[in-house]
Order: sequence, then structure tokens, then C-alpha cells
Amino acid sequence: DAGVTQSPTHLIKTRGQQVTLRCSPISGHKSVSWYQQVLGQGPQFIFQYYEKEERGRGNFPDRFSARQFPNYSSELNVNALLLGDSALYLCASSLRGQDTQYFGPGTRLLVL
Amino acid sequence: AQSVTQLDSQVPVFEEAPVELRCNYSSSVSVYLFWYVQYPNQGLQLLLKYLSGSTLVESINGFEAEFNKSQTSFHLRKPSVHISDTAEYFCAVSDLFGSSASKIIFGSGTRLSIRP
Repeated sequence: DAGVTQSPTHLIKTRGQQVTLRCSPISGHKSVSWYQQVLGQGPQFIFQYYEKEERGRGNFPDRFSARQFPNYSSELNVNALLLGDSALYLCASSLRGQDTQYFGPGTRLLVL
Repeated sequence: AQSVTQLDSQVPVFEEAPVELRCNYSSSVSVYLFWYVQYPNQGLQLLLKYLSGSTLVESINGFEAEFNKSQTSFHLRKPSVHISDTAEYFCAVSDLFGSSASKIIFGSGTRLSIRP
């Protein structure tokens, strides 16, 4: 079975622009979580979605938003990009949310 | 709030030597504990997990971790490392919130470098 997939793999944007990252969970998984990993640090929790509803949000500004679609795929949107948004964005899927999370390969975002 | 502390940012070892990567967590309630591995320029892969039951958990590639509730530790060990084990290792704890949500709280990572 395919694992978690994310697109694109790499992205370069300039300050002030907007970006959309995409994630497809493992087949049968209904929950998707998003994490930001800045270089040299552990991942930080951004959002969790389950059955198309937001179940939790980390300590990130309102410039960050997400949604989950009926097929359980998800998008993460970041508006008004800042240099500090440069990071690896990881998507994780799980069956229901409170069980083991499996991560995708990530999208590496560079903001210039 | 829960937190995870990885005591070593870097661990250099020689090939075929044993290794221990240390991890402590802070929690007063039941926890789920994980070790994830991140190879260069890749995402995170689940290495092993402790949910309940036996305190010693093993992975398919020779790593093992022991859950020690009294010391709030979950150290990762391997008796003989290989060059291919070179990676960043993250200890993590599952933080449950709300009625049906959870987030993974990660440590800062330990870079394991294997010398031939």
C-alpha cells in the first residue's frame, strides 16, 4: 500500500506570497496532521484534522490555515509568507487521530 | 504541557559499536512514546513505539527501547551499529487533547554519525 504522499517536494517563494501544500493520507486513514520542521529542530505541530473537521491547532499565526476534503486528503495554506516560514512541512496520517501517526516525505519550502 | 528532552545533540560512534540515545519525557499521565528516524533530506519514519504492555519494544532493524516509568525515560539502544544507521533520531510523546485529538511532541533530535 502507498504511504503518505505530499506535493510538491520542493517550493521556492518570495516574501508576501501565498503557498498551498498538499497531502494524501494512507488509504483508510481519516485523520491528517501537519507539522513544521525548521532546520536543526524537531517538528512542531500545526493542525490536526479528522473527518474534515479541525480537531486541534498548534501555536501558529492565523496566516496558517488548512482543510480536509471528503476523500481525507488535506491542504495547508500559508499566506503572507515570511523568511521564517522556510522549513520542511510534514504531513502525517492516522486512522482516527489518537493513534500512531505515519509521516510523509515532506515539502521543503524556501522563502526568499 | 508535555515535553521531551534528548540529552545528546550528536553521538559519534564507530561501526559495529553499541550505541544508546537518551530520551526523557515529562508527563504525569499514561503516555504513548515513539522513536522516529530521519535520513538525510527525507521525512520521518516510525522506528518503534510504546503504547502499553511490555516495557521493552523492538524494531525490525535491531534497535530497541525500554520504557521506564519511574525514571520517565525511553532510551534507544542498538548493540552493533552500521553505516546505514547514520541519521537523525527523534524521541516523541503523544499528547492527547480534546475528545479525540492528539499531537506528537518531539525532542530536538540526536544526530547519530557512524565512523568506519
